[in-house]
Amino acid sequence: DGGITQSPKYLFRKEGQNVTLSCEQNLNHDAMYWYRQDPGQGLRLIYYSQIVNDFQKGDIAEGYSVSREKKESFPLTVTSAQKNPTAFYLCASSIAFSSGSYEQFFGPGTRLTVL
Amino acid sequence: GNSVTQMEGPVTLSEEAFLTINCTYTATGYPSLFWYVQYPGEGLQLLLKATKADDKGSNKGFEATYRKETTSFHLEKGSVQVSDSAVYFCALSETGNQFYFGTGTSLTVIP
Repeated sequence: DGGITQSPKYLFRKEGQNVTLSCEQNLNHDAMYWYRQDPGQGLRLIYYSQIVNDFQKGDIAEGYSVSREKKESFPLTVTSAQKNPTAFYLCASSIAFSSGSYEQFFGPGTRLTVL
Repeated sequence: GNSVTQMEGPVTLSEEAFLTINCTYTATGYPSLFWYVQYPGEGLQLLLKATKADDKGSNKGFEATYRKETTSFHLEKGSVQVSDSAVYFCALSETGNQFYFGTGTSLTVIP
């Protein structure tokens, strides 16, 4: 089955540590995205990638970093510079970045808790 | 710029009640419109979409009609079930631009 996998589902880290969240897709999509979701709030775009080896900052990129070395993978690193990293992180993909009528597909999410 | 505005929740309904969740949008061109659903602790799933004015998207008893004249895409269901309890997000996508999501509307259906 095609889809997006995120791991782990729950992640606990101590304050000051960097942590990397995994996102893999086998949909052959060019575009991938990372969103942050806080309780009772909508989705905020952290980073997106239109093609391999290219990525752009979203609305709240500070304290985060990404890489896109392979089409199917788009890991997100939450660095110690992120002031309030505890949140639910969602990875998504779409056929292309600005594809208009094509929807985004979402992974199951990773809940990060910083102790 | 582009944006999506949803009615604020939470919404609580009894089983078999009629559901409406309002969504209005602002766009510079001709966007496609989407409704996503998120169950507790999960990612978002596409519920339905409409790609041009007057299109009606439908799925699992839910419907929404793309109204260009009122810039709206309200979600409706004639008879909700307990299993419909979730958070619903309205979204728009326009060629050449990113996805824009509303803030979500939480729905709880009680037996």
